[in-house]
Amino acid sequence: DTEVTQTPKHLVMGMTNKKSLKCEQHMGHRAMYWYKQKAKKPPELMFVYSYEKLSINESVPSRFSPECPNSSLLNLHLHALQPEDSALYLCASSQDPLGNSGNTIYFGEGSWLTVV
Amino acid sequence: AQSVTQLGSHVSVSEGALVLLRCNYSSSVPPYLFWYVQYPNQGLQLLLKYTSAATLVKGINGFEAEFKKSETSFHLTKPSAHMSDAAEYFCAVTLPNRDDKIIFGKGTRLHILP
Repeated sequence: DTEVTQTPKHLVMGMTNKKSLKCEQHMGHRAMYWYKQKAKKPPELMFVYSYEKLSINESVPSRFSPECPNSSLLNLHLHALQPEDSALYLCASSQDPLGNSGNTIYFGEGSWLTVV
Repeated sequence: AQSVTQLGSHVSVSEGALVLLRCNYSSSVPPYLFWYVQYPNQGLQLLLKYTSAATLVKGINGFEAEFKKSETSFHLTKPSAHMSDAAEYFCAVTLPNRDDKIIFGKGTRLHILP
């Protein structure tokens, strides 16, 4: 089973709302990732968690706040977003951090976010 | 720094024809290479990966790719295209013992003509 599950699949939120995206994997993977993908573009890395600790933040605005409650769960808290933040948000995981040899990233189906 | 270049943002082939999607990489050390496919409104799915074992790698759905160090290439092929192959394809690279990032190419949209 190489499944990464993301909820919700679609989310519409106003610029003053607070919402969260959720991600879950039960593969025993120790690294988890958030990516943002705009139309016709490759995924852009936002955050990396290794062994439940934030290891990479790609200078993401503070209106995006990641959280890793345990080794299976990853959340992305959203607050005061802008319309340009509308995108597909992809969660992913790998057995170990990518700095180790030949690990594969497994992606979820994504959460489509629309900010109005 | 490592990078990935995919030649052709759009490729069109007829159903039943050969599929060839090109990927070249730039890296100071032997990389790990991946091909992912993204169908409309879905996440990314791993097609195949190269991790320094056999240079010809077979993946899912009849795809394969060959690692050519002399050409710094990792082109994706499929002998006979099917309508269901229409999707976005991303080549990607990671480096051993480096940071925890995967570098994606810009993607190639594959169109299948009936």
